[in-house]
Amino acid sequence: DGGITQSPKYLFRKEGQNVTLSCEQNLNHDAMYWYRQDPGQGLRLIYYSQIVNDFQKGDIAEGYSVSREKKESFPLTVTSAQKNPTAFYLCASSFAYEQYFGPGTRLTVT
Amino acid sequence: QKEVEQDPGPLSVPEGAIVSLNCTYSNSAFQYFMWYRQYSRKGPELLMYTYSSGNKEDGRFTAQVDKSSKYISLFIRDSQPSDSATYLCAMTLMDSSYKLIFGSGTRLLVRP
Repeated sequence: DGGITQSPKYLFRKEGQNVTLSCEQNLNHDAMYWYRQDPGQGLRLIYYSQIVNDFQKGDIAEGYSVSREKKESFPLTVTSAQKNPTAFYLCASSFAYEQYFGPGTRLTVT
Repeated sequence: QKEVEQDPGPLSVPEGAIVSLNCTYSNSAFQYFMWYRQYSRKGPELLMYTYSSGNKEDGRFTAQVDKSSKYISLFIRDSQPSDSATYLCAMTLMDSSYKLIFGSGTRLLVRP
């Protein structure tokens, strides 16, 4: 069953802690993306990777880090430097321009 | 000014109505246009995509692009309560980055 998985669905953390969100795809897509979605603001690009061991900052990369050691995996770490980490995080992958999304992780930091 | 503008709604229509969802954009270099549907607390689902000006039809859905006016639309015929969702437009320059620029989404409610 092909697709993109994100885990966990819900995540709760205390302020000051780093947290890593998982994203895995079995679509054999080269490119992967991380977005953040806040109410009324649409999707904002955090990081993207077009090939293993390479990634680029998106529009709101501050306070986030990523790695791309395997084609299938693109984990996102939300660091304590991110000022407003509470949001819905979406991972996507693409072969060309059509991006396909995972189910998302809702992160709440208190 | 945002690169892609989309009315947030909510847009409320009775079941069976024809729905028109729209986006305007400012960058005339955008060449590839997409519509996504997002149910509450779920990831967006790709509905339709198109390269060129004109219409593209898929079942009850029609995507329309007018590059001269920098305006795209999604029409839904015979709308159903199951169409109630947020609809996001997205577009790209078709450069090597594969980056998409999203509208903020329009929330649609189809009343039974």
